[in-house]
Amino acid sequence: ETGVTQTPRHLVMGMTNKKSLKCEQHLGHNAMYWYKQSAKKPLELMFVYSLEERVENNSVPSRFSPECPNSSHLFLHLHTLQPEDSALYLCASSLGTSGFDEQFFGPGTRLTVL
Amino acid sequence: QQQVKQSPQSLIVQKGGISIINCAYENTAFDYFPWYQQFPGKGPALLIAIRPDVSEKKEGRFTISFNKSAKQFSLHIMDSQPGDSATYFCAATVSGAGSYQLTFGKGTKLSVIP
Repeated sequence: ETGVTQTPRHLVMGMTNKKSLKCEQHLGHNAMYWYKQSAKKPLELMFVYSLEERVENNSVPSRFSPECPNSSHLFLHLHTLQPEDSALYLCASSLGTSGFDEQFFGPGTRLTVL
Repeated sequence: QQQVKQSPQSLIVQKGGISIINCAYENTAFDYFPWYQQFPGKGPALLIAIRPDVSEKKEGRFTISFNKSAKQFSLHIMDSQPGDSATYFCAATVSGAGSYQLTFGKGTKLSVIP
């Protein structure tokens, strides 16, 4: 285990539903990330939090809403998603935010939007 | 363009053979090049990384070769084993503080057959 847990592991939702993804890290890291992983595409960075402050929002649609209540927890709130949002959503954490800081990934949440 | 191009998309290697995955980048500001390994149902995990001041880095059966002038780097897996079957991602980043953004390749699915 990497020390980064994600729940749920699988989620099926309709386009009108509201759901949340949860990530927790037990590594004492200060930075947390949300990535989207789609087949045959590079991992896409969605959001970055450093010391609970959002430092990056890579032009992600507003139907994705992150929340970082403390340095150990990260949420991704989902509402009125589209079928093309179906993907594996990965959470990661790192000690700092330099390029040298290794990012530790959770196992991901497999999201299917019907 | 902040792209990292990775090839091949998939690779089948006999047990004991050498697996070679290639990546090319365009942004000359990149100065740190990690490789991630991802098993099914797991998140990516750092495998090995290199800085451009060296041309090669070896860790066990895994070697990164780096060609700064060609802006290319590759991963060699010697004596490939069935347990190496996974998807491999190359990445590139700028290593300074606050430079958390990893630019990933699209991944190579490696299958090592007995």
